[in-house]
Amino acid sequence: EDQVTQSPEALRLQEGESSSLNCSYTVSGLRGLFWYRQDPGKGPEFLFTLYSAGEEKEKERLKATLTKKESFLHITAPKPEDSATYLCAVRMDSNYQLIWGAGTKLIIKP
Amino acid sequence: DAEITQSPRHKITETGRQVTLACHQTWNHNNMFWYRQDLGHGLRLIHYSYGVHDTNKGEVSDGYSVSRSNTEDLPLTLESAASSQTSVYFCATSGGYEQYFGPGTRLTVT
Repeated sequence: EDQVTQSPEALRLQEGESSSLNCSYTVSGLRGLFWYRQDPGKGPEFLFTLYSAGEEKEKERLKATLTKKESFLHITAPKPEDSATYLCAVRMDSNYQLIWGAGTKLIIKP
Repeated sequence: DAEITQSPRHKITETGRQVTLACHQTWNHNNMFWYRQDLGHGLRLIHYSYGVHDTNKGEVSDGYSVSRSNTEDLPLTLESAASSQTSVYFCATSGGYEQYFGPGTRLTVT
C-alpha cells in the first residue's frame, strides 16, 4: 500500500537548537516529494519539491534532502517564527494526486 | 498576483441541509482539488478535476459532489450535511506538480 509516514508527530526545540524532521514513503514510481508549512488557521504553504535521490533544496534555515526511501527537513538554528506544522506529500507516476503524511508539529521556544 | 480564494471562511449548518463551499482561482490552472483536514487524519482528498467538465472521486467522496463549468471555479456541495462532515475544507490548484492551497473553510454541522 502506498503511504507516507512523518516522524516525530511533535517536536519541541529551544531557539537555536537544530534538528531534523523525517518523511518516509512506500510508493512505486515516485514523481516528486513535496514539503509544506502550515500555520494554525491557514492553508498549507508550499516550500520545496524534490524529484530524485540525492537532491537537496534550501530556503533560509530549512534544507530538504531526499533518498530512495525518505526525506529529511533539516532546520538549522530555528527561531520561534519557524513554529508550524510541516507536511510531506508524494506524487506517484500516473496522476496529479498527492499522498499526504499526517505532519510534524514543530514548536520553537524562545 | 494569482490567488485562490474560498468562501465562506466559516459556516455553521444543521444536519440534513445542503451546503455549497466555493473555490475560485486566478492561476488559470487546469487541476483543482478538494481536501478535508481532521485531527489524526491529515489531508484527505474528496474530489478533483483535471479540467472543465472533468470531475473525479477521491478517497472520501461519499456525501460530496463537485461540478466544473469553467477553469476558475470548483464548488463543493454537501448534499445532506452530516455531523461527520464537520471539518476544515481546503481547495487547491496545480499547474503540474506542486499544489497551492486556499485559506480553508471551517464547517460545523450541528
